[in-house]
This record gives sequence, C-alpha cells and structure tokens, in this order.
Amino acid sequence: DAKTTQPPSMDCAEGRAANLPCNHSTISGNEYVYWYRQIHSQGPQYIIHGLKNNETNEMASLIITEDRKSSTLILPHATLRDTAVYYCIVRVRYGNNRLAFGKGNQVVVIP
Amino acid sequence: NAGVTQTPKFRVLKTGQSMTLLCAQDMNHEYMYWYRQDPGMGLRLIHYSVGEGTTAKGEVPDGYNVSRLKKQNFLLGLESAAPSQTSVYFCASSLLAGGHEQFFGPGTRLTVL
Repeated sequence: DAKTTQPPSMDCAEGRAANLPCNHSTISGNEYVYWYRQIHSQGPQYIIHGLKNNETNEMASLIITEDRKSSTLILPHATLRDTAVYYCIVRVRYGNNRLAFGKGNQVVVIP
Repeated sequence: NAGVTQTPKFRVLKTGQSMTLLCAQDMNHEYMYWYRQDPGMGLRLIHYSVGEGTTAKGEVPDGYNVSRLKKQNFLLGLESAAPSQTSVYFCASSLLAGGHEQFFGPGTRLTVL
C-alpha cells in the first residue's frame, strides 16, 4: 500500500469549510484513497473513498488531483462534533484485508 | 440495526488470566476483523475472517486466538493475558474484502495488571 503524509494537527473554525490535505505521491493506478475518522474514545468511522474522480456524500467531499499524488477531504460546514483524528489511507480496493491507519491528522474545530 | 457491537466495554485482568472478547454484527457482512490500538501506534490488525468458519492471521497475532462459528459473531481470545496486551480492542466488519468500507464497533478497553 502507498504511504500517505498528513499534517499531525490542524484547527478549523466552526461553521467554516475544513480542508484536510493528504499527500500520496507513490500511489499506484489501482489504489484508492480512503478517509476515516476517529472521534475520541470511539471506533473509526468510514467517511468517503475515491479512485480519480471527485466524490461527495452526505459527510464530505473528496478532491483528488489529476496526477493523483495528493487529495483533500473537505468538511463543508465544520461543527464541534467533527473534532477527531482523520486518517487518509491508500490501498487497493480488494486483496489484502488490512487498513493501515498511520498517525492521522488531529483536527480540532474551534467555536 | 445495531451495527457492530462489542462485549465487554471494559475489563481488568491479572497476568495469566484468560478471557474472550465478543464481537457481533447484524449487517450480514462476510468479513470481520480484530484490531488493537495503542498510543502512538495506530490500529494494528490482529486476526481477521473472510467468512463463517474461517480465520487468518493479521499483523500482530501472537498471544491471541479467534473463532468465527457463526457468521454474525467473531470471538477474540486471550489464553494467558500479559501486560503487553493492555490496549483498546476494536472489531470491524465489511461486506466485501478489506478494501471495502469497514464498520467499527465501539471498542473494548482491556487492562492487564
């Protein structure tokens, strides 16, 4: 699985869009970008995934650059409940069964 | 739907004691996983199952055993607990193979004294 790089932490203002970056310069053509988050003392929660097209669901939007070497998770209107550790994971869609979570990005939403 | 549930939520063991953690899912998922999470280490896969009656080793299987006798349940056993097994344990399930979205339980916080 390709390695990802995320900032260790960031703050964002409540009600504003939060843009969470992820670098994955060694991504292969068949690897997807997944985002999960973990709110304190809870299990991880799936957010969104994508291959090369931008994706949107009820939680967030995922923007993947044309060369696929980086991506941005966008929380459109951050709330205090969005404070969590966000994990960017790159892996093939099927095959091995391990999600490599890494250290993630501790996002704090500030009132 | 309850999703993925884990029993118990907390447990304290003495070194050498045994226990079983229970994971149950009501989403008819084929795949189930046990992870452990330690400070600064992220989540690490212990064992997983690709279907009823099957299990396989993950990254850190030593000291643990698992069983998947029913599709909806995945049990994690510690035969002789050690302080190094103090951790938060998460169970997860997915409809299809590991790259498919995984749904996690709330976790079991285990302390081994």
